[in-house]
Amino acid sequence: QLQLQESGPGLVKPSETLSLTCTVSGGSISSSSYYWGWIRQPPGKGLEWIGSIYYSGSTYYNPSLKSRVTISVDTSKNQFSLKLSSVTAADTAVYYCARNSLAVAPNWGQGTLVTVSS
Amino acid sequence: EIVMTQSPATLSVSPGERATLSCRASQSVSSNLAWYQQKPGQAPRLLIYGASTRATGIPARFSGSGSGTEFTLTISSLQSEDFAVYYCQQYNNWPRWTFGQGTKVEIK
Repeated sequence: QLQLQESGPGLVKPSETLSLTCTVSGGSISSSSYYWGWIRQPPGKGLEWIGSIYYSGSTYYNPSLKSRVTISVDTSKNQFSLKLSSVTAADTAVYYCARNSLAVAPNWGQGTLVTVSS
Repeated sequence: EIVMTQSPATLSVSPGERATLSCRASQSVSSNLAWYQQKPGQAPRLLIYGASTRATGIPARFSGSGSGTEFTLTISSLQSEDFAVYYCQQYNNWPRWTFGQGTKVEIK
């Protein structure tokens, strides 16, 4: 059974870079037809898609975040990662990693809360 | 950007009753519409894709309909485990997914 697990600091200072890793188990990140993405949810608010990556390294980003986002993949570790630069309090959210197709995200990690505060 | 608008924001329903949730797109998304359920402290779960196709393991009491700009999620007879927040998501213009703001289904 496919499982995804987010990891990384729960607290990041303003203007710094948020870094999270998603470890995939129960399946290969190199499988075709699927992408690996990040979605976030500010406390008490709705969902925002951040971006996705294909195992080959092709990336797709939300235009509103594109200038600050980098998603990368490490197939040898079955992991993919998110970096969000120049964070502010508005970036405080639960960050989810997910396996997605071109359409939907059928598999999600449990999510990790990242707070931006000094 | 395609804006998804859900209504109502909160729906109060008694167990066993029918719940009808709406989602409107700011422009046509054809049938490229999905619904997710989210319970407190949990990740969203995919319920419906293609506007009307249930995802694997989703009970038949959940049904979706619509196309273009108007969509509906119907829960035919609410069970206790169905009280949650529901989000619609359009995927008509990958990679620019957008979600609605959610409808909370609460116990009346």
